[in-house]
Amino acid sequence: NSKVIQTPRYLVKGQGQKAKMRCIPEKGHPVVFWYQQNKNNEFKFLINFQNQEVLQQIDMTEKRFSAECPSNSPCSLEIQSSEAGDSALYLCASSPGGNTEVFFGKGTRLTVV
Amino acid sequence: GEQVEQRPPHLSVREGDSAFITCTYTDPNSYYFFWYKQEPGASLQLLMKVFSSTEINEGQGFTVLLNKKDKRLSLNLTAAHPGDSAAYFCAVPDSGYNKLTFGKGTVLLVSP
Repeated sequence: NSKVIQTPRYLVKGQGQKAKMRCIPEKGHPVVFWYQQNKNNEFKFLINFQNQEVLQQIDMTEKRFSAECPSNSPCSLEIQSSEAGDSALYLCASSPGGNTEVFFGKGTRLTVV
Repeated sequence: GEQVEQRPPHLSVREGDSAFITCTYTDPNSYYFFWYKQEPGASLQLLMKVFSSTEINEGQGFTVLLNKKDKRLSLNLTAAHPGDSAAYFCAVPDSGYNKLTFGKGTVLLVSP
């Protein structure tokens, strides 16, 4: 069973509001990923970290999304100004790194009304 | 970048039948792969990690086949039961930072 902890499980925001979600990766996993899963089950990679450093991120993430993985604190993903199209399941995953398994948390389901 | 196509998008079988799901990928350098199961309202459960060195991988109640020549990865649930009803996803890590490219999923329904 995955030990990646995501909070909150559900988040409802109005358009233009900030939306923030958190993730505690599995202990000993320095690599953290954020994915967005839409209602059609399509996954979009957002950003990944190794320890506190960003490895890769997509353009969308650079503009309205911000993410960080500070040492000794949960990782977080924040949408600065929520849009209806941001409604999705946001999944955090962690990995020991290298060619190893990637484990997912239960996700935060964001609804933007 | 890597592209992954998964078929079929929906699959309905009776209890005890087999369920066969296939993914094709484009990067010939991909050398390991994942299958995940996602039950309604739940997260992704890792079913199996497969290395390209092994063509046949046996799990509990399922088999994963890898055809490197055709760049095809298959999941075969043998003797499916209603508890197998879920969405199944293949995922292929890229060669750099292991970002996963997912297939679009197969929603499997196993009826009694």
